[in-house]
Amino acid sequence: DAGVIQSPRHEVTEMGQEVTLRCKPISGHDYLFWYRQTMMRGLELLIYFNNNVPIDDSGMPEDRFSAKMPNASFSTLKIQPSEPRDSAVYFCASREGQGRAGQFFGPGTRLTVL
Amino acid sequence: DQQVKQNSPSLSVQEGRISILNCDYTNSMFDYFLWYKKYPAEGPTFLISISSIKDKNEDGRFTVFLNKSAKHLSLHIVPSQPGDSAVYFCAATSGSARQLTFGSGTQLTVLP
Repeated sequence: DAGVIQSPRHEVTEMGQEVTLRCKPISGHDYLFWYRQTMMRGLELLIYFNNNVPIDDSGMPEDRFSAKMPNASFSTLKIQPSEPRDSAVYFCASREGQGRAGQFFGPGTRLTVL
Repeated sequence: DQQVKQNSPSLSVQEGRISILNCDYTNSMFDYFLWYKKYPAEGPTFLISISSIKDKNEDGRFTVFLNKSAKHLSLHIVPSQPGDSAVYFCAATSGSARQLTFGSGTQLTVLP
């Protein structure tokens, strides 16, 4: 059974370019989370969805960041335009709604903005 | 304002000995706590959790202790193995909230 899938695993881009990160959650999971990990701020929640609907996007740093979940098996996190301070590892995680079980994380996308 | 704090960025332990990782929290509304382990170039993986109605939860070599009055929890690994070397994150959540608040992590190194 495949876990959370993220693509690409690595992305290097130049300042000002648009970046799109992709996530496929575990089948049957109805919650999806996007996190960012940096040295300065650690692991921080950006946004999460329930049944494809954004519930809390208070962690999204700026209007340059947007996230969508068009269906239960796919989500994107877009940065437009990208800036060097956006360089980080971005994780997607999913979980089943019932109970308090932990979230299942993908391997992450390492983004470098030059 | 960090609601979940891991004050030790790193810890080194000899193989076979006990590893104790600590975590403090400030939000008294947190009622469920989790530990995650993270290897380089991988996502965090769930390790063990504890509800605030308990003070101890054990799973094999891993035990989590919760002291609600002190707002403190700890993860004990006994005996420690070289494969346990990883970054350990403490996380907390409350009520019906689904989001986790993470600590900054502790790098554990188990020396053979």
